[in-house]
Amino acid sequence: ILNVEQSPQSLHVQEGDSTNFTCSFPSSNFYALHWYRWETAKSPEALFVMTLNGDEKKKGRISATLNTKEGYSYLYIKGSQPEDSATYLCACTLSGGYNKLIFGAGTRLAVHP
Amino acid sequence: ETGVTQTPRHLVMGMTNKKSLKCEQHLGHNAMYWYKQSAKKPLELMFVYNFKEQTENNSVPSRFSPECPNSSHLFLHLHTLQPEDSALYLCASSQALTGTGELFFGEGSRLTVL
Repeated sequence: ILNVEQSPQSLHVQEGDSTNFTCSFPSSNFYALHWYRWETAKSPEALFVMTLNGDEKKKGRISATLNTKEGYSYLYIKGSQPEDSATYLCACTLSGGYNKLIFGAGTRLAVHP
Repeated sequence: ETGVTQTPRHLVMGMTNKKSLKCEQHLGHNAMYWYKQSAKKPLELMFVYNFKEQTENNSVPSRFSPECPNSSHLFLHLHTLQPEDSALYLCASSQALTGTGELFFGEGSRLTVL
């Protein structure tokens, strides 16, 4: 059974703070790791898809790293803004190239002005 | 037209009703998915369709019946549901079943079973 864990469950930061959260997953049979951002009353939107150990991706102030050997990924937000407030989901697929994404419960981020 | 559209956005039904959720994608994708999110639980995969063929049924009770008439449309037929089936049902699509293809989600259908 594939179990994807995210921490912390929720996070409150002040505008301008940098923050990061963790996604952990079983390292055996790993295939791909996805990060999604989900704003309230909207649909989840893909941020990154990562497959290679040591991979690092960046989109604006948001970046992510991947360690497939130890089974974790970090998502970083630099200089948080109120519009960054959302739930950040990570999801994992196992080898086989099959798009059966297993999601973690998410980290809910609130950025206060 | 947005990429993935779900209707209705909200649905209230009794346990003896029959209703359907509809999903339509305008992205030219070949794979479509139903996910369920219950309160304080992760998104839970229900069904996967690839080129209209069902490739995954994640042990979903038969009171949920999916239908995929073509690659652009996906339905979830609901009958004799239980109150614990109340949840947000999300539809998603992807270009293909590759494992690295990002999912494009609809905004969900919020279902309440009385």
